[in-house]
Amino acid sequence: DGGITQSPKYLFRKEGQNVTLSCEQNLNHDAMYWYRQDPGQGLRLIYYSQIVNDFQKGDIAEGYSVSREKKESFPLTVTSAQKNPTAFYLCASSVRTSGSLNEQFFGPGTRLTVL
Amino acid sequence: AQTVTQSQPEMSVQEAETVTLSCTYDTSESNYYLFWYKQPPSRQMILVIRQEAYKQQNATENRFSVNFQKAAKSFSLKISDSQLGDTAMYFCAFMITTGTASKLTFGTGTRLQVTL
Repeated sequence: DGGITQSPKYLFRKEGQNVTLSCEQNLNHDAMYWYRQDPGQGLRLIYYSQIVNDFQKGDIAEGYSVSREKKESFPLTVTSAQKNPTAFYLCASSVRTSGSLNEQFFGPGTRLTVL
Repeated sequence: AQTVTQSQPEMSVQEAETVTLSCTYDTSESNYYLFWYKQPPSRQMILVIRQEAYKQQNATENRFSVNFQKAAKSFSLKISDSQLGDTAMYFCAFMITTGTASKLTFGTGTRLQVTL
């Protein structure tokens, strides 16, 4: 089955520890994205990558880092510099389907709780 | 920069009735798409409907339809014959394409409860 997988579904870490969230896609999509969702808010863009070995900051990149060594994988590291890391994290990937439509498809998400 | 505003934090509708969720946006772009996403308790983001800004005809998908008013920058979602499975958070989103990627801007969501 083609799709986007995120693991684990739930993640617990102690304050001050870095943690890496996994995102893998087998859709052959060029672009991948990371979003953060807090209660009562919509999704906010953390980082995105258009091609391998290239990525750009989104609206809330501080305290996060990413890598894109393979087309299929776009891991997100939440560093100890992130002030409020507890949140729901969603990964997405996209492909241009027609004209200017570059539709994003979402993974199931990871709930990160920092204790 | 784009902004998306959903002014109804919560709404309730009885099963089989019709409900309309509001969304307004602000942009200086001329070529864009608008989306409604549904997020059920599983938290999976599910695409409900999309609208291309250049198309005057309002999009429809089965029981879901939109009222797209480009000049007013309004994009409301109408759900007809509401079902219990429609209970979810609904997010309005604005999209522009940049290179090989796209940029989505989301509203804060409307929590819809469908009751018996």
